[in-house]
Amino acid sequence: GESVGLHLPTLSVQEGDNSIINCAYSNSASDYFIWYKQESGKGPQFIIDIRSNMDKRQGQRVTVLLNKTVKHLSLQIAATQPGDSAVYFCAENPGGGADGLTFGKGTHLIIQP
Amino acid sequence: DVKVTQSSRYLVKRTGEKVFLECVQDMDHENMFWYRQDPGLGLRLIYFSYDVKMKEKGDIPEGYSVSREKKERFSLILESASTNQTSMYLCASRTQVRPLHFGNGTRLTVT
Repeated sequence: GESVGLHLPTLSVQEGDNSIINCAYSNSASDYFIWYKQESGKGPQFIIDIRSNMDKRQGQRVTVLLNKTVKHLSLQIAATQPGDSAVYFCAENPGGGADGLTFGKGTHLIIQP
Repeated sequence: DVKVTQSSRYLVKRTGEKVFLECVQDMDHENMFWYRQDPGLGLRLIYFSYDVKMKEKGDIPEGYSVSREKKERFSLILESASTNQTSMYLCASRTQVRPLHFGNGTRLTVT
């Protein structure tokens, strides 16, 4: 996999490799973080979330890491598949449940055969 | 599964028209949101609502208004559409501090 910064909008990986998508969040008071996947023509879909009292959470083929010290969030996708091609957004929850999420600009993940 | 339904996938309107975008959710969520999504700018919050008849401005409310007469329905209104409101509009809902659930979006073109 390849580590990318928030400023790099595209990540290209070989099918079967691991992918790592990084995100920097802005608000040190944010207590909840989410990764979304958006495929062409669809709304964002929830992938995985993590609360600020944790630093790692695993799902099926995905892991989210949270580093509150440097306000950094990452999404790891294991054994990337063609169906993983999409734009991935991180989001932070700066307030309570009534407020919206603040989204990053997104990273376009491209899977090479 | 939560379902958020936006009434139109594509809309084409003329400058100056009044435009209504409708959104319905089926999970009794108290919180509903309207975002717009533009290339290079990401998702930006327009308005949100935490209860029936309640509304709050998001980051870019200018040129928009909203209506929430029933818990399951949240409408976005463009009083007088302008070309800079051409965008993808996404409705979402959630309960408490949980994930937002999004609809599939309405792509609005204002000519």
